[in-house]
Amino acid sequence: KAGVTQTPRYLIKTRGQQVTLSCSPISGHRSVSWYQQTPGQGLQFLFEYFSETQRNKGNFPGRFSGRQFSNSRSEMNVSTLELGDSALYLCASSLEGWGTEAFFGQGTRLTVV
Amino acid sequence: AQKVTQAQTEISVVEKEDVTLDCVYETRDTTYYLFWYKQPPSGELVFLIRRNSFDEQNEISGRYSWNFQKSTSSFNFTITASQVVDSAVYFCALSGGNNAGNMLTFGGGTRLMVKP
Repeated sequence: KAGVTQTPRYLIKTRGQQVTLSCSPISGHRSVSWYQQTPGQGLQFLFEYFSETQRNKGNFPGRFSGRQFSNSRSEMNVSTLELGDSALYLCASSLEGWGTEAFFGQGTRLTVV
Repeated sequence: AQKVTQAQTEISVVEKEDVTLDCVYETRDTTYYLFWYKQPPSGELVFLIRRNSFDEQNEISGRYSWNFQKSTSSFNFTITASQVVDSAVYFCALSGGNNAGNMLTFGGGTRLMVKP
């Protein structure tokens, strides 16, 4: 069974640009969550999508957005990039329901210069 | 508000030593789930265990064991006879409330270094 796939693995962007990250969950998983990991703030929840609807949202500015497609694949977008957006972005897929175990991808390392 | 605290930021042990990673949580939910994840240098978080708030039984899985104590809001993780391959960052996480979905609140992580 294939795991969670995130693309690209590495990205370098310039301040002010926008970026789109992609996540393909495990087959059969309908919940996709996104997390930002930085040395200073640790792992922080961005949002969760379930059946193409945003189910929960973390405390991030509106520059951070996401969506989920009918095949459960998800994308997150960050507009008007800031230096502080440099981070490892992790995607997790889970079965439907609450509190189910999350399976994480290897992440996308975003560097904003 | 939910909070997870891992007071130990870094632990260094010599191979074959036992090591306990501490986790203390705060939540107003009466029903919640607790998790432990391992993050090796490759970056992905690897699921280790899930425990719901109604199940205070301790669990042992090979060299790993978990001690859940609701009275002290703690969910500690012990590795017996540590090995170099156990070196990683370990995260404790909480998912609380029916409307939390699969949202996880993570602790700051404990970096474990096992030296040969």
